[in-house]
Amino acid sequence: QSALTQPASVSGSPGQSITISCTGTSSDVGGYNYVSWYQQHPGKAPKLMIYDVSNRPSGVSNRFSGSKSGNTASLTISGLQAEDEADYYCSSYTSSSTPPEVVFGGGTKLTVL
Amino acid sequence: EVQLVESGGVVVQPGGSLRLSCAASGFTFDDYTMHWVRQAPGKGLEWVSLISWDGGSTYYADSVKGRFTISRDNSKNSLYLQMNSLRTEDTALYYCAKDIGLGAAFDYWGQGTLVTVSS
Repeated sequence: QSALTQPASVSGSPGQSITISCTGTSSDVGGYNYVSWYQQHPGKAPKLMIYDVSNRPSGVSNRFSGSKSGNTASLTISGLQAEDEADYYCSSYTSSSTPPEVVFGGGTKLTVL
Repeated sequence: EVQLVESGGVVVQPGGSLRLSCAASGFTFDDYTMHWVRQAPGKGLEWVSLISWDGGSTYYADSVKGRFTISRDNSKNSLYLQMNSLRTEDTALYYCAKDIGLGAAFDYWGQGTLVTVSS
């Protein structure tokens, strides 16, 4: 069982917007602004899309945005494109163990209809 | 261009040992914390371990604590993971990842090296 909870799947049509949630606790998502999101296409390494809740690395499309409210973080993808179809993982720094570590969500499969 | 190239993954029997390596280039290696992250076949990502820029701090996931040891050689721009007492549940693709430097995020990943623990 993953430490962070994500929906197993989401879907949307090209041009639409979708949001993927990532729910944790006050020891991880809710306690720190260290939430990241990764995109992984089949057979490829993960790619960083969002870090520190809402920051985009250089080169990542501004169609990707991140936010957080309480113990739940969210990734929003606007103007869905076929190439956005992939698995998405959230992660967070956590202090629920000693020493602190990093935890991932179970992943969400995005299907572009 | 940042490159991370893992090596050392093989098929090993339960209880066996293995050392993974990650060769880094394209950035100042000794400025950054480095991580190992693994992914079991068809499963999600699992953080395994991290090591600070100077090797002075190391952290491990509970699932590998006491069995795995992370290390680095900054003179060789290399990261390592010594894996002992391997279990079938350690079977996974092991990624080397660079910390972004601002928090627990991984901005560059290698392509991974496959470790299979099987009798």
